[in-house]
Amino acid sequence: RKEVEQDPGPFNVPEGATVAFNCTYSNSASQSFFWYRQDCRKEPKLLMSVYSSGNEDGRFTAQLNRASQYISLLIRDSKLSDSATYLCVVNRMDSSYKLIFGSGTRLLVRP
Amino acid sequence: EPEVTQTPSHQVTQMGQEVILRCVPISNHLYFYWYRQILGQKVEFLVSFYNNEISEKSEIFDDQFSVERPDGSNFTLKIRSTKLEDSAMYFCASRKGQGWDNEQFFGPGTRLTVL
Repeated sequence: RKEVEQDPGPFNVPEGATVAFNCTYSNSASQSFFWYRQDCRKEPKLLMSVYSSGNEDGRFTAQLNRASQYISLLIRDSKLSDSATYLCVVNRMDSSYKLIFGSGTRLLVRP
Repeated sequence: EPEVTQTPSHQVTQMGQEVILRCVPISNHLYFYWYRQILGQKVEFLVSFYNNEISEKSEIFDDQFSVERPDGSNFTLKIRSTKLEDSAMYFCASRKGQGWDNEQFFGPGTRLTVL
């Protein structure tokens, strides 16, 4: 079983739509959770960290459910510039703080 | 804003040749990483480096791979004898210090093509 699983998509939505991405992780020792954004052939960039209480940053809302080992990202009022691959990322409780990536969910926002 | 830089942006090599990928992490960062991403696949951890030694390496990071921080600013990944399956995007990353949500900053990557 993959350590971090995501629906690969693509999600094809019109501008202004609300879209939700889900992610599950298998290792209960996972300590920190993130959503990264990756544009085609570019490096991953941190979108937001995900906290147990849930957190919001403008149009983006992230939720974490530790009991279900489930992470979500909600994007409201989608913009064309939101088109990218969204990577669910966890950080295990070990000394190296390495990141473990999901395969990503591709989002296409159309005019 | 400080950033991680990587050179070259694209490296083409023949199978069996040695390559060195270079990275300059953000100057006050202490933890350094290499990740790779084969085209169409997920980003995979290769190795982490702290206090001038490897702190963890993945199964991918076999004897053909090595890392070095030769001069206190550069952080290099060497592949001794490249294979076709080493073709991938290689990302360097650095983070400032301890703390579970310390952000890792990624460089723009080096695209390695092994022919």
